[in-house]
Amino acid sequence: GAVVSQHPSWVICKSGTSVKIECRSLDFQATTMFWYRQFPKQSLMLMATSNEGSKATYEQGVEKDKFLINHASLTLSTLTVTSAHPEDSSFYICSARKSTEAFFGQGTRLTVV
Amino acid sequence: DAKTTQPPSMDCAEGRAANLPCNHSTISGNEYVYWYRQIHSQGPQYIIHGLKNNETNEMASLIITEDRKSSTLILPHATLRDTAVYYCIVRVLESGGSYIPTFGRGTSLIVHP
Repeated sequence: GAVVSQHPSWVICKSGTSVKIECRSLDFQATTMFWYRQFPKQSLMLMATSNEGSKATYEQGVEKDKFLINHASLTLSTLTVTSAHPEDSSFYICSARKSTEAFFGQGTRLTVV
Repeated sequence: DAKTTQPPSMDCAEGRAANLPCNHSTISGNEYVYWYRQIHSQGPQYIIHGLKNNETNEMASLIITEDRKSSTLILPHATLRDTAVYYCIVRVLESGGSYIPTFGRGTSLIVHP
């Protein structure tokens, strides 16, 4: 199997604080992970590609200083939303690549109040 | 340019077959047809994929036309838990592991009692 786990499943934070979301590949090593954001009734939008041991590659329009990605090991990538604002409230999903396939986490619902 | 076209929404009665169409008229010879689904507030879930032959697994059947320009995902006996957004994706199986999952708008399937 190929299981990807995200933590937390949901989080509420105050405006101006930072929030860290973890993405773990439980039974395989993933040199590449992906982070997506999904607003209500919209599709998944790729934010960045995370490569173990190197800097993440961000999609156009995604602020790298606001969405900090760290992929320090072959089984863990983290996304930190810094100085969160209400407009950052969204559903964040990670994916890990194994060979030619990609496996998805269950998502994290972030609400900034 | 979108590589696939799907109806935005469909509905189906519980217990009946749900047939979800996908047009991919510009598909290349080495591109596979993949289907994922996303239940509300969860990450995408792989369903099935195929190249040119029809495929069946425990979740669904995939029927690909002979010219490969369209396909249909069939859920033979839809249940309420099949209510989800279904995404049709065409992609190659890169041997170098460069696949980046991207999603269109998909079809929102509602299964009603």
